[in-house]
Amino acid sequence: AQKITQTQPGMFVQEKEAVTLDCTYDTSDQSYGLFWYKQPSSGEMIFLIYQGSYDEQNATEGRYSLNFQKARKSANLVISASQLGDSAMYFCAMREPSGGGADGLTFGKGTHLIIQP
Amino acid sequence: GAVVSQHPSWVICKSGTSVKIECRSLDFQATTMFWYRQFPKQSLMLMATSNEGSKATYEQGVEKDKFLINHASLTLSTLTVTSAHPEDSSFYICSAIRPGLAGGRVNEQFFGPGTRLTVL
Repeated sequence: AQKITQTQPGMFVQEKEAVTLDCTYDTSDQSYGLFWYKQPSSGEMIFLIYQGSYDEQNATEGRYSLNFQKARKSANLVISASQLGDSAMYFCAMREPSGGGADGLTFGKGTHLIIQP
Repeated sequence: GAVVSQHPSWVICKSGTSVKIECRSLDFQATTMFWYRQFPKQSLMLMATSNEGSKATYEQGVEKDKFLINHASLTLSTLTVTSAHPEDSSFYICSAIRPGLAGGRVNEQFFGPGTRLTVL
């Protein structure tokens, strides 16, 4: 079973509109972290936003906010006032710490966002 | 933010040769680094966890004898693709754990720019 599910392979959005990228996750851990990364065509992974499982408030970073619904295991990314430069692949990822050691991230399949002028 | 570099940024090699990719944390010490692989138009898949001073931990399905990982210092991890074949052509990305700061994201990961490997 997929641990991170992104149901939107691609999205077209008009410039200046808000956009919501969906992400649901599956874990039995109580402590976990959720991340969103942007990957432009250059390939670099750009960190956008982080939400810890115990954080009571939704995370916000500038134009990015994370709509965290823990009971539904949902962590949607909201980009307000989209810009042409927002066109890229967007990945949702989860970290599930275990055994006291650091764990790598599990990524969703990504959403290709295209902002149209 | 913290900086992680990778070298080379791209490499083309003949089938059967070995290729070494370096991952460096430039302004912090990283006891743990991760190696990911990304095939075209696909997601990142974790290959292995590289721990300074100890053996790497490989994910299921990743051949440890083919993908040799060495984490000899707190700022350098290397991935060697041995006897590379065309199916190993991929984008390899490393990340480094920066120990969490008070009030910050615990054990935040910083990604390198990636290395594109093409095996002919």
